[in-house]
Amino acid sequence: GAVVSQHPSWVICKSGTSVKIECRSLDFQATTMFWYRQFPKQSLMLMATSNEGSKATYEQGVEKDKFLINHASLTLSTLTVTSAHPEDSSFYICSASLGFEYEQYFGPGTRLTVT
Amino acid sequence: SQELEQSPQSLIVQEGKNLTINCTSSKTLYGLYWYKQKYGEGLIFLMMLQKGGEEKSHEKITAKLDEKKQQSSLHITASQPSHAGIYLCGADVGSSNTGKLIFGQGTTLQVKP
Repeated sequence: GAVVSQHPSWVICKSGTSVKIECRSLDFQATTMFWYRQFPKQSLMLMATSNEGSKATYEQGVEKDKFLINHASLTLSTLTVTSAHPEDSSFYICSASLGFEYEQYFGPGTRLTVT
Repeated sequence: SQELEQSPQSLIVQEGKNLTINCTSSKTLYGLYWYKQKYGEGLIFLMMLQKGGEEKSHEKITAKLDEKKQQSSLHITASQPSHAGIYLCGADVGSSNTGKLIFGQGTTLQVKP
């Protein structure tokens, strides 16, 4: 099956700093990538949808200036958490697909801890 | 807004026993996905159901989507410790395939050897 990787797998940063998380589709070209956030013992919540070469679409309640998403190529999307705060600590998971009508393949997730 | 309700929230079974996890929606489901997640890890795709009455099986796991397309069940036969994890159902939002998924709250399964 298709493989999606995320880097880093975990990161600890100080409050006020920015953190970049990468999501890569290793063996297919992902026209669409999705970013999810998962708090402990809760389900995944969709944050935004990104299409290669265009601006990301954010879900209601997600600050686009805080969570910067770039999908510059068909194999890479990045999520940058700007001016991170402890409440941003969470498990961030990306998924990638060939397009809206195709199955999503999920990355292994990135655990962010903001101190 | 559409929501997915999973039941039970957690389940502990003895190895070898069968079990069922349910996923219910208040609205018609357009594309129902079952995933397995180990805590702190990504999601592993299990199965996708689209048609009312559809049933799919893989190894000892069977998933069904009811005729009304508002409820799905995941059945594990002769459970093993390797089946332990968090099972999530996900569904396409709305009637058009946007690719956006909403998820149930998950069912945590423990299998006692």
